[in-house]
Amino acid sequence: DGGITQSPKYLFRKEGQNVTLSCEQNLNHDAMYWYRQDPGQGLRLIYYSQIVNDFQKGDIAEGYSVSREKKESFPLTVTSAQKNPTAFYLCASSPPASRYGYTFGSGTRLTVV
Amino acid sequence: SQQGEEDPQALSIQEGENATMNCSYKTSINNLQWYRQNSGRGLVHLILIRSNEREKHSGRLRVTLDTSKKSSSLLITASRAADTASYFCATDNFGNEKLTFGTGTRLTIIP
Repeated sequence: DGGITQSPKYLFRKEGQNVTLSCEQNLNHDAMYWYRQDPGQGLRLIYYSQIVNDFQKGDIAEGYSVSREKKESFPLTVTSAQKNPTAFYLCASSPPASRYGYTFGSGTRLTVV
Repeated sequence: SQQGEEDPQALSIQEGENATMNCSYKTSINNLQWYRQNSGRGLVHLILIRSNEREKHSGRLRVTLDTSKKSSSLLITASRAADTASYFCATDNFGNEKLTFGTGTRLTIIP
């Protein structure tokens, strides 16, 4: 079955620690996206990538970093510079031109302890 | 930035009734999409309507788009308990392939 896999489902981060969220897709989609969702709110775009080895900042990129070394993988690192990282993180992918709709992973819930 | 605003923020109806949610947006769009999110899960794509379309159906879903008013509505007919979820609209602007999501409507179907 084709889809997007996010791991881990739950992640706990200590103050000052960097953590990396994994996102893997086997849909052969070119574009991949990372969104942040805070309780009761909509999705805000962190980073997106439309092709391997290239990515762009979204609306709230500060304190985050990404890489796109393989078409299938788009990991997100939450750095210590992100002062309020507790949120639900969603990864998505789509074929060229989003008119086909995005396919989402099941999310990673990150909590600062 | 949030492009879309859904209305109402929350809606509770009896099973079997119809549910209507609205979405307003600010700038010209290429297409508008609706997604469903069950609690604690990822979003699921429901339906896409292009800017040159006015109405689209998919099963129990009916979407309308009024580009002059920059608004869209999602109608779910004959609601079921399984329809309980949050519903988001998302817009794809011309020359910008990334989607911008609204704030969502939380729908509760009462058995």
